[in-house]
Amino acid sequence: DQQVKQNSPSLSVQEGRISILNCDYTNSMFDYFLWYKKYPAEGPTFLISISSIKDKNEDGRFTVFLNKSAKHLSLHIVPSQPGDSAVYFCAATGNQFYFGTGTSLTVIP
Amino acid sequence: DAGVIQSPRHEVTEMGQEVTLRCKPISGHDYLFWYRQTMMRGLELLIYFNNNVPIDDSGMPEDRFSAKMPNASFSTLKIQPSEPRDSAVYFCASSLSGYEQYFGPGTRLTVT
Repeated sequence: DQQVKQNSPSLSVQEGRISILNCDYTNSMFDYFLWYKKYPAEGPTFLISISSIKDKNEDGRFTVFLNKSAKHLSLHIVPSQPGDSAVYFCAATGNQFYFGTGTSLTVIP
Repeated sequence: DAGVIQSPRHEVTEMGQEVTLRCKPISGHDYLFWYRQTMMRGLELLIYFNNNVPIDDSGMPEDRFSAKMPNASFSTLKIQPSEPRDSAVYFCASSLSGYEQYFGPGTRLTVT
């Protein structure tokens, strides 16, 4: 039972353009959402988070948007850089912790 | 800080053998998490501790899996006996708040 879903397993974007990664969740009790970035042979690295009381959080080139009514969050990366190429996981937490299955982002120079 | 340290980085063992994975969390972090990553199921939370006490072990797949945290700087995940379906990458993570987690590099386990 996937409580956090990332329906796009992969995404390719040209350098300098916007990357939009999407995530859907099912449990309205989740109160905190996070995005992690993972390079091969490394553990996930925390990227950005958002509380359920907010609808947007920004950190440099990274912005996370939360739409509670749609149970949807997205990560925007602007401008995309080749070093952003990695697998991105969204995660949600309430009493438990759930991760999506990841989206592999490739930024083409 | 050195970050979360996991050992071994790779483990190959035969079915039926006992496997012990080790984790040293970031100093000062009160939360410690064990995850398993597979192609089929992605990243799954197995168990997490707060102040060395297991809080939720509902993700532990079977009684063959056990985890301990004898002190704030060390945790183990043990599989006994191991089976081929246990082959996966196992991650340990620690956290100060329980929200943002810092992951170790993982242990790639192969059970033949």
